[in-house]
Amino acid sequence: DAGITQSPRHKVTETGTPVTLRCHQTENHRYMYWYRQDPGHGLRLIHYSYGVKDTDKGEVSDGYSVSRSKTEDFLLTLESATSSQTSVYFCAISESGTFSGANVLTFGAGSRLTVL
Amino acid sequence: SQQGEEDPQALSIQEGENATMNCSYKTSINNLQWYRQNSGRGLVHLILIRSNEREKHSGRLRVTLDTSKKSSSLLITASRAADTASYFCAALHINQGGKLIFGQGTELSVKP
Repeated sequence: DAGITQSPRHKVTETGTPVTLRCHQTENHRYMYWYRQDPGHGLRLIHYSYGVKDTDKGEVSDGYSVSRSKTEDFLLTLESATSSQTSVYFCAISESGTFSGANVLTFGAGSRLTVL
Repeated sequence: SQQGEEDPQALSIQEGENATMNCSYKTSINNLQWYRQNSGRGLVHLILIRSNEREKHSGRLRVTLDTSKKSSSLLITASRAADTASYFCAALHINQGGKLIFGQGTELSVKP
């Protein structure tokens, strides 16, 4: 997990509260991603970023927002957490995000979020 | 959904045996990748095979790709207890703007 850190690693919160997860990279990679991992669903893409202030939606973006004000930081915000957002969240980075590159991902260690 | 399917969902073998995991996907791809996840950790990239390749090797790993059947397989030869992990395929679909779409994973248990 060198070069990419997620915080917090564990969080328990209550329904309706806002939650922000942070992803920090030291690799200077252009592309950053947020995935969630749930049993039976594998990994599903929430949002991704292809540069500072450039973001786009993934497969399961409802209820989530992101921001990227610096190359190294990508924040995932749950404005009002719900129990269905209980999951393990993974941040990933890649040097290339298009077909011109391989788009190989490096993952963080994950953030386990429990919404009661 | 573009999400691929993997089978088996779980596989239990003895040390020294070979382990084969399969992945199917739905639409044309640029490349297909395999990742490994140890319990409680993030995913780690293992190997990538491009759409114009049919087979690729890396150490004890062998990956095949059949684009006509939209399927791939990962073979781990002479497995070790340390290979115990979940394995995921991920497809870079041509019509998905460069985003990787992951399968649901195969949980491999290698018993000493």
